[in-house]
Amino acid sequence: DTGVSQDPRHKITKRGQNVTFRCDPISEHNRLYWYRQTLGQGPEFLTYFQNEAQLEKSRLLSDRFSAERPKGSFSTLEIQRTEQGDSAMYLCASSRAWGGAVEQFFGPGTRLTVL
Amino acid sequence: QQQVKQSPQSLIVQKGGISIINCAYENTAFDYFPWYQQFPGKGPALLIAIRPDVSEKKEGRFTISFNKSAKQFSLHIMDSQPGDSATYFCAASIEASGTYKYIFGTGTRLKVLA
Repeated sequence: DTGVSQDPRHKITKRGQNVTFRCDPISEHNRLYWYRQTLGQGPEFLTYFQNEAQLEKSRLLSDRFSAERPKGSFSTLEIQRTEQGDSAMYLCASSRAWGGAVEQFFGPGTRLTVL
Repeated sequence: QQQVKQSPQSLIVQKGGISIINCAYENTAFDYFPWYQQFPGKGPALLIAIRPDVSEKKEGRFTISFNKSAKQFSLHIMDSQPGDSATYFCAASIEASGTYKYIFGTGTRLKVLA
């Protein structure tokens, strides 16, 4: 399977706990994006990496959220001190950085439930 | 100005019928307009996309119509099938920091009756 993969697919946690999600992009893609999708809504942009550099962060990404892409390959998204409002589907997408390509390929998402 | 407004929220179509979903935007800096299909529990999958220099693009049963002056675009699904039952999202893309950040509509839940 050469698509975008995410792990875990589901995470249930108690309020106040920390959680970390992983995204593995398509191997030749050097651009990686995180989005958040709540029930009945479209995905909302959170942050973007080109290689290992985090180039843009949304105002939705509070101080409790941190994302990394240490070697320009996989990425992690950590949420500290989770709140019930963090319950959502967290989607990762990747795209190429050449040829003017803008198509983003999405992974299956990680569904987070905060109790 | 960053919003993309999508309608209808839900749509029921008979098998073989035409499904039409509409989107509108305000920011004329948007320059790429993809449509994504999402099944329950899955990530969005790209269906078809268009740039504003083209008024129509067709791929199989899926057609995007684009009206630059009205700042509107729509997805037409011809000969709709029960397998097309899913949620459809329009999006608009704007270049920021060298990439194309997507702004999504709120989605249309399509049900095609057999």
